[in-house]
Amino acid sequence: AQKVTQAQTEISVVEKEDVTLDCVYETRDTTYYLFWYKQPPSGELVFLIRRNSFDEQHEISGRYSWNFQKSTSSFNFTITASQVVDSAVYFCALGGGYQKVTFGIGTKLQVIP
Amino acid sequence: EAGVAQSPRYKIIEKRQSVAFWCNPISGHATLYWYQQILGQGPKLLIQFQNNGVVDDSQLPKDRFSAERLKGVDSTLKIQPAKLEDSAVYLCASSRTSGGRSFGPGTRLTVL
Repeated sequence: AQKVTQAQTEISVVEKEDVTLDCVYETRDTTYYLFWYKQPPSGELVFLIRRNSFDEQHEISGRYSWNFQKSTSSFNFTITASQVVDSAVYFCALGGGYQKVTFGIGTKLQVIP
Repeated sequence: EAGVAQSPRYKIIEKRQSVAFWCNPISGHATLYWYQQILGQGPKLLIQFQNNGVVDDSQLPKDRFSAERLKGVDSTLKIQPAKLEDSAVYLCASSRTSGGRSFGPGTRLTVL
């Protein structure tokens, strides 16, 4: 069975602080994908990134960076110099088998001006 | 590229009534998904279509929920009869065979 754990249910940071959202996953699949989605107050899920299980590397895209470590089954997400517009619920998700995707419960990020 | 379209955006019904949601995926996306997102939780997959065939409906409450995807494009999700616990946001998503899912805006259902 697949499982995604986002231990942080809610985080508050002051604008311009860096923040890391944790994600730990469990799967028996040898090939799988990991995702991060953002859900702003408007409700629409916005795709941020997908990594496959063979692509274990740290990645940076603008203010966002991701750290995928198979040894610890973690796929953490960092926002550098946070902004108020980053306030949203962030979901980590795991896809295995024929793309069945399991979502975590989400981490609500509040960036305070 | 137009996004995933869903309608209606909001629906309020009384328990035991029926309701239907419509989804139009992104053009060219063969895979279509319906998710249920209860307040405070992550989305839960209800059903996944590959073209017009069902790939996974293991978490669909088949005694009251049904879905179809005629001609492999648009899809309809129906609940009949609705229960209080069906109050949630119903999200439709689509993808190419191995891409990230694009989600629609969702339909917020309130069952009174």
